[in-house]
Amino acid sequence: GAGVSQSPSNKVTEKGKDVELRCDPISGHTALYWYRQSLGQGLEFLIYFQGNSAPDKSGLPSDRFSAERTGGSVSTLTIQRTQQEDSAVYLCASNRQSLRYGYTFGSGTRLTVV
Amino acid sequence: DAKTTQPNSMESNEEEPVHLPCNHSTISGTDYIHWYRQLPSQGPEYVIHGLTSNVNNRMASLAIAEDRKSSTLILHRATLRDAAVYYCILRDVRSGDDKIIFGKGTRLHILP
Repeated sequence: GAGVSQSPSNKVTEKGKDVELRCDPISGHTALYWYRQSLGQGLEFLIYFQGNSAPDKSGLPSDRFSAERTGGSVSTLTIQRTQQEDSAVYLCASNRQSLRYGYTFGSGTRLTVV
Repeated sequence: DAKTTQPNSMESNEEEPVHLPCNHSTISGTDYIHWYRQLPSQGPEYVIHGLTSNVNNRMASLAIAEDRKSSTLILHRATLRDAAVYYCILRDVRSGDDKIIFGKGTRLHILP
């Protein structure tokens, strides 16, 4: 596609439920990143996939968070047993894995845990 | 990512040039200087990057100091749509760890 696509754009869930957020990167981009941004806060790195390498999970805040990337393309971020502090905008980005290019970000998924 | 320092906020008048500074005194020879911006309620967008020479594109210009310890993002004629948070980031071409850690950036306010 022309850009990074994220779905859903908005998600309201009850505390304790599991949620899945989807990211469709730009075709051919080998690197995929997840970030989150709480209201009024900065961008927090969560996880990074590069090709077939093991993902860099160093930013995941707890073991309730996990992500996978199937076939080197689509990625799903899963949050289990959601808490109110998980409410944030979750942003996905992809990149050609070259410093000659910048990341392309999606529009994000706004997650609200009630 | 090597550390960068930016002012928390800046103001500029509409239709005037804006110079956004960034200090990166510990930059290494293989660090590229990248700039992103985040408009309200949107994800960040890539603006420009450079290594040693000044760079121009349709969005902005990047002026890099001769010693590379600082750089300046230049918006030649600011519009209200340029109001955003601007992030200056270093990315090491040698590093296999290519994730961007965003700092707080500079919040640019444009006055009509």
